[in-house]
Amino acid sequence: KAGVTQTPRYLIKTRGQQVTLSCSPISGHRSVSWYQQTPGQGLQFLFEYFSETQRNKGNFPGRFSGRQFSNSRSEMNVSTLELGDSALYLCASSQNPGDEKLFFGSGTQLSVL
Amino acid sequence: GENVEQHPSTLSVQEGDSAVIKCTYSDSASNYFPWYKQELGKGPQLIIDIRSNVGEKKDQRIAVTLNKTAKHFSLHITETQPEDSAVYFCAAVYFSNNDMRFGAGTRLTVKP
Repeated sequence: KAGVTQTPRYLIKTRGQQVTLSCSPISGHRSVSWYQQTPGQGLQFLFEYFSETQRNKGNFPGRFSGRQFSNSRSEMNVSTLELGDSALYLCASSQNPGDEKLFFGSGTQLSVL
Repeated sequence: GENVEQHPSTLSVQEGDSAVIKCTYSDSASNYFPWYKQELGKGPQLIIDIRSNVGEKKDQRIAVTLNKTAKHFSLHITETQPEDSAVYFCAAVYFSNNDMRFGAGTRLTVKP
């Protein structure tokens, strides 16, 4: 069974631009969560989606948004990029919301110049 | 909300030695404690977990212990090997909203 797939693997953007990251969960997994990982702040929860609906949201500004499609694939979008948005963005899937076992993808490394 | 502290931030051991990483949590209502291993260029991978109704769990060379009274839990790796070198994260899950909070991570280096 294929794991969680995230694309692209690397991205370089400039301040003010916007970016869209994609995540395909493990087949049969219906819940997708997004995390931001930085050396200074560690792993921080962004949001969780299930059945195309956002179930939980972390403490991030409205520039960070996401969505989930009917096939459980998810995208996250960051608008008006800032230098501090440079990070590894990780997607994790689980079979259902409330399942504690998360399966992470390899992430998208975003650099904002 | 839950706060998870992890120590040490870096740990270097000789191959064959044991390694211990410790975490403390603040919310006594947390009931699930996973450990993740993150290798360079990869996402975190679950290696072992423990629930609040269990005091210890083992899986080959890896074990986790939980002290609910003191609100701390530890990862023990015995007979370490160079391939154990990675960053390890602990986490605590607050049961009512499934909010998972991660520790800051421990970079483990196993020297051959």
